[in-house]
Amino acid sequence: AQSVTQPDIHITVSEGASLELRCNYSYGATPYLFWYVQSPGQGLQLLLKYFSGDTLVQGIKGFEAEFKRSQSSFNLRKPSVHWSDAAEYFCAVGALQGGSEKLVFGKGTKLTVNP
Amino acid sequence: DAGVTQSPTHLIKTRGQQVTLRCSPKSGHDTVSWYQQALGQGPQFIFQYYEEEERQRGNFPDRFSGHQFPNYSSELNVNALWLGDSALYLCASSLRVGISLTDTQYFGPGTRLTVL
Repeated sequence: AQSVTQPDIHITVSEGASLELRCNYSYGATPYLFWYVQSPGQGLQLLLKYFSGDTLVQGIKGFEAEFKRSQSSFNLRKPSVHWSDAAEYFCAVGALQGGSEKLVFGKGTKLTVNP
Repeated sequence: DAGVTQSPTHLIKTRGQQVTLRCSPKSGHDTVSWYQQALGQGPQFIFQYYEEEERQRGNFPDRFSGHQFPNYSSELNVNALWLGDSALYLCASSLRVGISLTDTQYFGPGTRLTVL
């Protein structure tokens, strides 16, 4: 069965510091991978996605992620964090099954940004 | 370009009642998926609708049912509510690009359901 693991429940960084959020997936075929961000009380906003091709993908708000097949990982990075980046971040894998596709999400990583 | 919209924003029900949540997909999208997000958890897939049919279902009981209309909008119905159904219900829309693959799913703001 497909699964996504986000090992860090909560991460705290200082504003201006670099950030890396970890994501590991389990999926039998070539994965479609996503990072979404959720601000308190809000829906999910897509940050970036990987379907195929270049394993380093660029997203919105200065985020990037790197797909590493050998490590089954899709870690999210940002070189310099802003206070407005404080939110919860979800990694997801697109899973084909039964003639349709669903997203399987990790449990999320909550990011706190200190001034 | 209107994104995914959901109504109502918040809802309070009591145990045993029934509820209907509504979703309008992003313009140009034909597929709607529903997710349940319990407090402190990631979203869990409920089901997906395409061409007015349920195409895939997650691990949710039959109390959860849905419908898709010809204009691609969708409803999620939950019968016999119990406390554990309290959650944020998210609707996502996408465009089918192949036999079974959809393009990126875009999410609405969600409906917060509280069951007392």
